[in-house]
Amino acid sequence: GQQVMQIPQYQHVQEGEDFTTYCNSSTTLSNIQWYKQRPGGHPVFLIQLVKSGEVKKQKRLTFQFGEAKKNSSLHITATQTTDVGTYFCAGPQGGGSQGNLIFGKGTKLSVKP
Amino acid sequence: GAGVSQSPRYKVTKRGQDVALRCDPISGHVSLYWYRQALGQGPEFLTYFNYEAQQDKSGLPNDRFSAERPEGSISTLTIQRTEQRDSAMYRCASSLGSYNEQFFGPGTRLTVL
Repeated sequence: GQQVMQIPQYQHVQEGEDFTTYCNSSTTLSNIQWYKQRPGGHPVFLIQLVKSGEVKKQKRLTFQFGEAKKNSSLHITATQTTDVGTYFCAGPQGGGSQGNLIFGKGTKLSVKP
Repeated sequence: GAGVSQSPRYKVTKRGQDVALRCDPISGHVSLYWYRQALGQGPEFLTYFNYEAQQDKSGLPNDRFSAERPEGSISTLTIQRTEQRDSAMYRCASSLGSYNEQFFGPGTRLTVL
């Protein structure tokens, strides 16, 4: 079945360093969503990318959707301790079931002050 | 208004008992989703509804799991004859439509002894 894979699984950075997580789907996606989950919290929506090659920015966060719509990345510039958490990408299962989101296993980010 | 609420927040039950988990979505949200999230993993899709209609239940692990949303608002996920392997965090989410961002609730932590 369809798979969504994320790397790395863990990332430890010094505050101020940059961070990137990568997401790859086994199939072409109609869109991709990114969520952040703080320790002990629930997933919180960050962004949705729809167009091939799309790039969106939210302050220090930059999201990209690949040309083939099978991969995506999230880049954080100059990490802060508030960036700590697990970042998930998710794409629809397809076959008409838009609501069936397949989540990656996430990248857990820790930031050392 | 209020976000997605779930009850109970914690449920401890004995193997073989039935449990019912409740989700109260954001008012006006058409789509409602159920996920299961193991520790250190991404949310795993179980089922979702548009209004009262169950659109996709392909993620339900077996026939002990069922869900309903009879009036298109509150939803109940029922697990019959619980087993220890059912222990997990069960999360509900809602969205304006199945193409929109999903808002997650705090989850119900189910422990089956």
